Amino acid sequence: DAKTTQPNSMESNEEEPVHLPCNHSTISGTDYIHWYRQLPSQGPEYVIHGLTSNVNNRMASLAIAEDRKSSTLILHRATLRDAAVYYCILRDVINSNYQLIWGAGTKLIIKP
Amino acid sequence: NAGVTQTPKFRILKIGQSMTLQCTQDMNHNYMYWYRQDPGMGLKLIYYSVGAGITDKGEVPNGYNVSRSTTEDFPLRLELAAPSQTSVYFCASSYGQGSSPLHFGNGTRLTVT
Repeated sequence: DAKTTQPNSMESNEEEPVHLPCNHSTISGTDYIHWYRQLPSQGPEYVIHGLTSNVNNRMASLAIAEDRKSSTLILHRATLRDAAVYYCILRDVINSNYQLIWGAGTKLIIKP
Repeated sequence: NAGVTQTPKFRILKIGQSMTLQCTQDMNHNYMYWYRQDPGMGLKLIYYSVGAGITDKGEVPNGYNVSRSTTEDFPLRLELAAPSQTSVYFCASSYGQGSSPLHFGNGTRLTVT
């Protein structure tokens, strides 16, 4: 089972910032927090990942709580092309190897 | 680079038929994965491979087989298709494990009737 909890859906207005929350209260000290997104009818796409410090890249920012039990993906200025399902993911052990365990994600709806 | 390429894009099978879903990557990644995604759900890992000649089961391996004879190719075989295997199948690859990002193909939509 997924080790993260996300809202089923969120709405935001175009050209406004979006904050997508994720809870991961059972995270271990060595677990990275991964974010992917899936546009309609496409495969998932890597967005960002982090361990302890906040991270920024050209797509988004990742803010990680000090106790690491929650994190927030920040899209600084959402466009219609950012409408997608966003997945917050941790790893778990499957057959002695660490693998990403996917939940149902948050469906982000962008209103023009 | 083409990245991860999956064929076919769509397929309809009758119960009991067999087929192979093809996946190839041109990024020289050691790690490759097969996932399935049912409507409104996240991805479930079927099989994965850490390098040519090495494969292992994921969360939902029953009804599937894989092989990895080259670094580039990782085909997924369905021997006796069942309606429960109706799903979208995604292949992915990564440079390493841990924090290495996964690169996904665009999927194969399979219907078994």
